[in-house]
Amino acid sequence: AQKITQTQPGMFVQEKEAVTLDCTYDTSDPSYGLFWYKQPSSGEMIFLIYQGSYDQQNATEGRYSLNFQKARKSANLVISASQLGDSAMYFCAMREKKGGATNKLIFGTGTLLAVQP
Amino acid sequence: EADIYQTPRYLVIGTGKKITLECSQTMGHDKMYWYQQDPGMELHLIHYSYGVNSTEKGDLSSESTVSRIRTEHFPLTLESARPSHTSQYLCASSEAQGAFEQYFGPGTRLTVT
Repeated sequence: AQKITQTQPGMFVQEKEAVTLDCTYDTSDPSYGLFWYKQPSSGEMIFLIYQGSYDQQNATEGRYSLNFQKARKSANLVISASQLGDSAMYFCAMREKKGGATNKLIFGTGTLLAVQP
Repeated sequence: EADIYQTPRYLVIGTGKKITLECSQTMGHDKMYWYQQDPGMELHLIHYSYGVNSTEKGDLSSESTVSRIRTEHFPLTLESARPSHTSQYLCASSEAQGAFEQYFGPGTRLTVT
């Protein structure tokens, strides 16, 4: 069965420093997608970054980059130059593919990031 | 920026009441989803739809029902609310092609007393 594991319930980082949020996944499907979402205390889910299983290069979006290590089945999120507004819950998710139809997302349990001034 | 809306944002209601949570998107997405999330926990898919007149149950069993009569509208209904239904409900939509990232609405925080 497909599964996402986030082993860090909470993380602290100093403002302006970089932080890595861990995510490992398990799937037997050769084609899959990995996503990171940010959920502030207000509750909405904000899409941050996407990595396809066949993508050769690590995805980057501004201060966000995804450290994709396929052999290790890990997809860690790196946030550079942390800002106070980065304080939020971060969820790693995997797109499930069964016959190419579902596109359902499986979410990890999340990591609560606190950026300290 | 995604255009997906949910109403109400907050709802406190008594046990036994019928409620409908609204979700609308203006992006023309075929695929729509409902997730349930308890505070500080992961999201669980409870319903999804591939398009008009298509609805499927998700991975987490739910007593709620959904309908998809129009592409842009995917309401969720609870016929008789119970305290165990207290949770946050998040609606999302995605395109049929591409990376399939899902765009989320702001959520409805439901409290059943």
